[in-house]
Amino acid sequence: NAGVMQNPRHLVRRRGQEARLRCSPMKGHSHVYWYRQLPEEGLKFMVYLQKENIIDESGMPKERFSAEFPKEGPSILRIQQVVRGDSAAYFCASSPRTGGDEQYFGPGTRLTVT
Amino acid sequence: AQSVTQLGSHVSVSEGALVLLRCNYSSSVPPYLFWYVQYPNQGLQLLLKYTTGATLVKGINGFEAEFKKSETSFHLTKPSAHMSDAAEYFCAVIEGNTPLVFGKGTRLSVIA
Repeated sequence: NAGVMQNPRHLVRRRGQEARLRCSPMKGHSHVYWYRQLPEEGLKFMVYLQKENIIDESGMPKERFSAEFPKEGPSILRIQQVVRGDSAAYFCASSPRTGGDEQYFGPGTRLTVT
Repeated sequence: AQSVTQLGSHVSVSEGALVLLRCNYSSSVPPYLFWYVQYPNQGLQLLLKYTTGATLVKGINGFEAEFKKSETSFHLTKPSAHMSDAAEYFCAVIEGNTPLVFGKGTRLSVIA
């Protein structure tokens, strides 16, 4: 059983560019969560999606950030016009059901904005 | 809204010594509580979780945690530290269908 896959593992972008982070959930999982981890901080929830639906985006910055989880393919976290403050590790987790008590984390994507 | 406080951003123990990592939470309803471990440049791995039932929860790698409602605590312990336990540990809480809320983490160092 493959675990949660994230790619790329490392991403370097210049200020103003776009960053696209991908997350492939575990087989059979239709719930995806995205978290951001800033240096010396714990993980902060960003968005919760089910297939083709955003369920909770209360942790997502209002501008420049968007997420999707299409019927086919991975979940995408998109950051437009990146700034230095976007540099962080972005983790996704997948779950087979609602409730959030069974989340499996991917290895993360480390975004560096230069 | 729920929150998690981890006392001590860095804990250092000798190999073979007791490991105690502290976690206190605030929640208006009975929470689900979790401990995750993160090794350098890796994702989070679930160590153990409390949902309902027995308040002493055993997890992987010899770790256990006890849910104490009266103290709003969920401290993580291991009787004897091993060098491979050196990592970052995160306590987290869920309340109802809310997302995981994490503490800031405690970095555990194990000294030979």
